[in-house]
Amino acid sequence: ETGVTQTPRHLVMGMTNKKSLKCEQHLGHNAMYWYKQSAKKPLELMFVYNFKEQTENNSVPSRFSPECPNSSHLFLHLHTLQPEDSALYLCASSQDKGAYNEQFFGPGTRLTVL
Amino acid sequence: AQKVTQAQTEISVVEKEDVTLDCVYETRDTTYYLFWYKQPPSGELVFLIRRNSFDEQNEISGRYSWNFQKSTSSFNFTITASQVVDSAVYFCALSEARDGNNRLAFGKGNQVVVIP
Repeated sequence: ETGVTQTPRHLVMGMTNKKSLKCEQHLGHNAMYWYKQSAKKPLELMFVYNFKEQTENNSVPSRFSPECPNSSHLFLHLHTLQPEDSALYLCASSQDKGAYNEQFFGPGTRLTVL
Repeated sequence: AQKVTQAQTEISVVEKEDVTLDCVYETRDTTYYLFWYKQPPSGELVFLIRRNSFDEQNEISGRYSWNFQKSTSSFNFTITASQVVDSAVYFCALSEARDGNNRLAFGKGNQVVVIP
């Protein structure tokens, strides 16, 4: 595997379900990110992790719970979501969290909340 | 605060035509970085180019070129001799150096459709 991978690619869940999104990067990077991409809206940064430590939480509701066990893996745990949370969730990584670093993105998880 | 504006939503061109995408940004920072990303139908954003705020030299890389004008806060991107594979959404993005976090602010994107 190369680059940034995300599983699952598609997920349909009810509002009472608990599910998790997984992201793995094979680039030796130290920073990882979660973004939300909704229709007709710019990509929204949700969380930033640097060397496994969370450095940014962009006022994300607590029904989204990130976890970063090591620099290569990032999870997004989902619980009691709302239909408006339906979106494409993108994971990214970069060498570190310096502003000059380009971010490398995974293919995303298309989430539908019923 | 940072903000990126991409005014054009969808642009259609016939194959082999050039297409220019406009990006205007706002920042109070003196050191910042500008990026262009491409998002094909597969979904993942692909990094294309980066420019530092202190380097206004415009360059050409293959069929891609960009025009960075600090005086007008613009960072336009041109695809020369477009091909069908260029059909995608293109995002302009900005990050500020003082932020400490690589917090990319994205524009809404330009949907480019290249007609064969």
